[in-house]
Amino acid sequence: GAGVSQSPSNKVTEKGKDVELRCDPISGHTALYWYRQSLGQGLEFLIYFQGNSAPDKSGLPSDRFSAERTGGSVSTLTIQRTQQEDSAVYLCASSLGLAYYEQYFGPGTRLTVT
Amino acid sequence: KQEVTQIPAALSVPEGENLVLNCSFTDSAIYNLQWFRQDPGKGLTSLLLIQSSQREQTSGRLNASLDKSSGRSTLYIAASQPGDSATYLCAVSGANSKLTFGKGITLSVRP
Repeated sequence: GAGVSQSPSNKVTEKGKDVELRCDPISGHTALYWYRQSLGQGLEFLIYFQGNSAPDKSGLPSDRFSAERTGGSVSTLTIQRTQQEDSAVYLCASSLGLAYYEQYFGPGTRLTVT
Repeated sequence: KQEVTQIPAALSVPEGENLVLNCSFTDSAIYNLQWFRQDPGKGLTSLLLIQSSQREQTSGRLNASLDKSSGRSTLYIAASQPGDSATYLCAVSGANSKLTFGKGITLSVRP
C-alpha cells in the first residue's frame, strides 16, 4: 500500500517568506507527527495529532510555526517569516495510534532559506 | 529529559563481518524502541520495533535486543553487505508518544 507522502520534496525560499509543507499519512493511521532534522540538532519532535484530540505542540520552536490537520488526514506545517535557522529537512510520520505503535516516515521536505 | 546516545558516530567494516550497533538511553520508562535506517537524502525506514515488554526482535539478518533496566539496545547485523551502508538511528518512545532519537551511526561496508 501507499506510504507516507510529503510535498514538495525540496523548497527554496527567501528569508521572511511564508512556506507550507504538506503531509499525507498512511490511510487509516490516526496519529500524525512532524519532526525536523538539522545538522546541528539531529532529529527533533515538533508536533503530533491524534484523532480529534488537541495537538501536542510542545516541540514547536517558535510561534512562527503552526500546523493543522484537516479531516483527520492531510496535515500542513506552516512556517511564517522564515529565518535561515529554519533550514532543515522536515519529516512527517504516521502510526495507528500513540505510544505503542510503530511510526512510519515519509521522504521529507528539504527546506532551504536563503 | 530522555537522552539517547549512539557511539561511535561512524563505523567502517569489511563485507561479510557480523557487527553490533549500540544505543543507550537515560530514562528506562519507555514504551518501545525503534531502529531506523536512513540513506543519504532519504527519509527513515523502520527496521525493527521492540516493545518495552520484549527482549528482542528479528528480521532477516537483523536482530535487535532491548535491556530496558540498563537503558541499552543493540542492533546486530549478520554477514554485512555493501548495501547495508547507511546511517542507523535508534529512537525511544515514552508515554508522551514522541520519539527521541540518537544522532545515528554511519555505517560503511567495504566490498
